[in-house]
Amino acid sequence: DTEVTQTPKHLVMGMTNKKSLKCEQHMGHRAMYWYKQKAKKPPELMFVYSYEKLSINESVPSRFSPECPNSSLLNLHLHALQPEDSALYLCASSQTAGSHNEQFFGPGTRLTVL
Amino acid sequence: QKEVEQNSGPLSVPEGAIASLNCTYSDRGSQSFFWYRQYSGKSPELIMFIYSNGDKEDGRFTAQLNKASQYVSLLIRDSQPSDSATYLCAVNMLYSSASKIIFGSGTRLSIRP
Repeated sequence: DTEVTQTPKHLVMGMTNKKSLKCEQHMGHRAMYWYKQKAKKPPELMFVYSYEKLSINESVPSRFSPECPNSSLLNLHLHALQPEDSALYLCASSQTAGSHNEQFFGPGTRLTVL
Repeated sequence: QKEVEQNSGPLSVPEGAIASLNCTYSDRGSQSFFWYRQYSGKSPELIMFIYSNGDKEDGRFTAQLNKASQYVSLLIRDSQPSDSATYLCAVNMLYSSASKIIFGSGTRLSIRP
């Protein structure tokens, strides 16, 4: 099984809403990632979790709050988002967070903030 | 200077020909290099990775790495219309206890019948 799953596929939320994105992998990977991708741009790294601990936070605004409940799950909690936060949110995983590790992406969640 | 640079294209190649995609990177300490394919509206799909200088072949795809020139390329032989997509070059850079992938802006490839 080389699949990373993400739910929901699409999400529309208002600026006062609280919602969560979910990501799951069953490959035994110990590193998981959140990326944000705007149209016609490459993915931009947001967070890296290594062995369930936050290793990298790319100066992401606090309205995005990641959580790694266990080695298979990664959540991204959203609160008070802005319309410019509308994007494709991608989760990825790799065996570890060291170099020489391929990252595999999930299908993404298309987020629209009204 | 951008950390990972690619020609944005579009690169138009006739069906059956070889498509050549290029990428340069700025960090000499980079250890591993990846090519992802991304269809419109979909997530990136890993198609090749390379760590050592030289060529690595997988089916119709060949990745080439030259660390001295800080250059990595992807060749696609016998190009098919289904190869039309954006190709993202990605470079793995190590930061303290974890590494992160930096993506180039991508090259749009169009295979014309």
